[in-house]
Amino acid sequence: DQQVKQNSPSLSVQEGRISILNCDYTNSMFDYFLWYKKYPAEGPTFLISISSIKDKNEDGRFTVFLNKSAKHLSLHIVPSQPGDSAVYFCASREEAGYQKVTFGTGTKLQVIP
Amino acid sequence: DARVTQTPRHKVTEMGQEVTMRCQPILGHNTVFWYRQTMMQGLELLAYFRNRAPLDDSGMPKDRFSAEMPDATLATLKIQPSEPRDSAVYFCASCFPQGPQNTGELFFGEGSRLTVL
Repeated sequence: DQQVKQNSPSLSVQEGRISILNCDYTNSMFDYFLWYKKYPAEGPTFLISISSIKDKNEDGRFTVFLNKSAKHLSLHIVPSQPGDSAVYFCASREEAGYQKVTFGTGTKLQVIP
Repeated sequence: DARVTQTPRHKVTEMGQEVTMRCQPILGHNTVFWYRQTMMQGLELLAYFRNRAPLDDSGMPKDRFSAEMPDATLATLKIQPSEPRDSAVYFCASCFPQGPQNTGELFFGEGSRLTVL
């Protein structure tokens, strides 16, 4: 039972354009949603998060949007840079007290120079 | 430079052998997670601990996997006996105790790549 789903295994974008990565979830008890970035042979690193009480969070080139009614979130990267090429994981945390963090299957982003 | 430390980084073993992976969480973090990265499942949660007590290990094959925290600075994941299908990268992560600092961010180690022949 995959509670966090990333339906696109890969995405290819031209440098300077927008990258949009998508994620769907099924559990209404999640209180935080996060995006992680992973380079080969390294551990995932935190990128950006959003609380379930918000619908948008922005940090530089990265913006995360949350649509609770659709149980959908997305990560926008503008403008995309070759250094953004990595695997991006969506993650969701169950409400505080439990803190269980569930990850999706990842989307491999390639930014073409 | 606080970080999660995992050992070994790479392990090649033969089917049937025991494998132990170790993790040192960041000092002050009281919740420790074990994940396994596979192509099909992405980052699959195996088990996690808070204050050294197991909270959920439902993701682990119970007959061969075991996870423990002998003390606050060490978490272990053991596979006995190992099988080829266990070949994967195993990640340990830790996070702050509940409170304003904890917004769900996990700090990951670099992973232990296991190959079972």
